[in-house]
Amino acid sequence: AQKITQTQPGMFVQEKEAVTLDCTYDTSDQSYGLFWYKQPSSGEMIFLIYQGSYDEQNATEGRYSLNFQKARKSANLVISASQLGDSAMYFCAMREANSNSGYALNFGKGTSLLVTP
Amino acid sequence: DTGVSQDPRHKITKRGQNVTFRCDPISEHNRLYWYRQTLGQGPEFLTYFQNEAQLEKSRLLSDRFSAERPKGSFSTLEIQRTEQGDSAMYLCASSSSLAGVTYEQYFGPGTRLTVT
Repeated sequence: AQKITQTQPGMFVQEKEAVTLDCTYDTSDQSYGLFWYKQPSSGEMIFLIYQGSYDEQNATEGRYSLNFQKARKSANLVISASQLGDSAMYFCAMREANSNSGYALNFGKGTSLLVTP
Repeated sequence: DTGVSQDPRHKITKRGQNVTFRCDPISEHNRLYWYRQTLGQGPEFLTYFQNEAQLEKSRLLSDRFSAERPKGSFSTLEIQRTEQGDSAMYLCASSSSLAGVTYEQYFGPGTRLTVT
């Protein structure tokens, strides 16, 4: 069974600084995908970034980058130049290997990020 | 592309009542998912549709829950005889099998259910 662990319940960062949100995972699958989603107080889950298990380079999307360390089974999200609008819950998720579930996502418990002026 | 929409956004009901939620996925998406999110937790998978076929149901989906996706378009999630433990945010997501290896899911704003 897959498991996603986010050990940081809450994080603070000052505006314009960089912040790293931790995510470790456990799976016996060779092929898997890792996602980060942002959930503002409005409730909608917003896709941020994706990393495939066979991708040799770390994924980047604008101010978001994923620090993928396969041997350590970690997939940390790095947000550079934090903005006040980045304050939200952040969830790490892994795509199930079961195609019958349409590759449903398994989520961690999330990290609450607060960006301060 | 108008995104995934869900209705209602909020629902307050008394224990024992039935409730029904609706999800309208992105129009060209053939995959539709329902998740449940309780306070302080990440979303948990409930069920999955490919077109109109319900292919997978989580063990979280008790007999009181039923989901449909007639004609492979919108989907409904019904909870019968609601219990206080059903209070949660119910999230709908959709994706396309043509999305390549990412299988990226797009989420709706959710329906927050409160059972009193």
